[in-house]
Amino acid sequence: SQQGEEDPQALSIQEGENATMNCSYKTSINNLQWYRQNSGRGLVHLILIRSNEREKHSGRLRVTLDTSKKSSSLLITASRAADTASYFCALGGTSGNTPLVFGKGTRLSVIA
Amino acid sequence: DAGVIQSPRHEVTEMGQEVTLRCKPISGHNSLFWYRQTMMRGLELLIYFNNNVPIDDSGMPEDRFSAKMPNASFSTLKIQPSEPRDSAVYFCASRSGGPNNEQFFGPGTRLTVL
Repeated sequence: SQQGEEDPQALSIQEGENATMNCSYKTSINNLQWYRQNSGRGLVHLILIRSNEREKHSGRLRVTLDTSKKSSSLLITASRAADTASYFCALGGTSGNTPLVFGKGTRLSVIA
Repeated sequence: DAGVIQSPRHEVTEMGQEVTLRCKPISGHNSLFWYRQTMMRGLELLIYFNNNVPIDDSGMPEDRFSAKMPNASFSTLKIQPSEPRDSAVYFCASRSGGPNNEQFFGPGTRLTVL
């Protein structure tokens, strides 16, 4: 199975600005999930968007999915220093009880 | 629930030694996954279990790596003999149901092989 590819690899912004990260993939998916990883910690689930959904919100997070372009974006609005972390997209497969496949992540730095 | 529990959190060993990493998944979760994370390769899936049965171990790098899940509440990942290139953070994750559900990750074991 293939992994998603996040873009950019690294992003540095000022506190209060919005951060946008993108994920592109090549396979068919059942869903796409975004996870956050703080330095030295495990991954934490942020949001899941199904293949028949186009947009989803959770607090300051907004995720879009374009299955025709095989891409997704994660927008964090009004960023805070505490948002500094690596963000990963993960592809949920279409068959069976398959595991998530993760990209290499976007490293976000929010400067206070 | 305490979440996914991994032990030890840190392990430093010498090349050639056997290393055993342990994982306790969240109670009621029927899938368990072992991942390895390095700067070079990112997060790699090593092996996963459904209902305690190994489903796909194609990500296990070599025969030196083995994993077991003797019951629904415990899994081990063993490296024997260990090598410096095995140094990485090893994560265990568990999930209830299928791919429409989130995976819950443990805090990881940071392994250093000297």
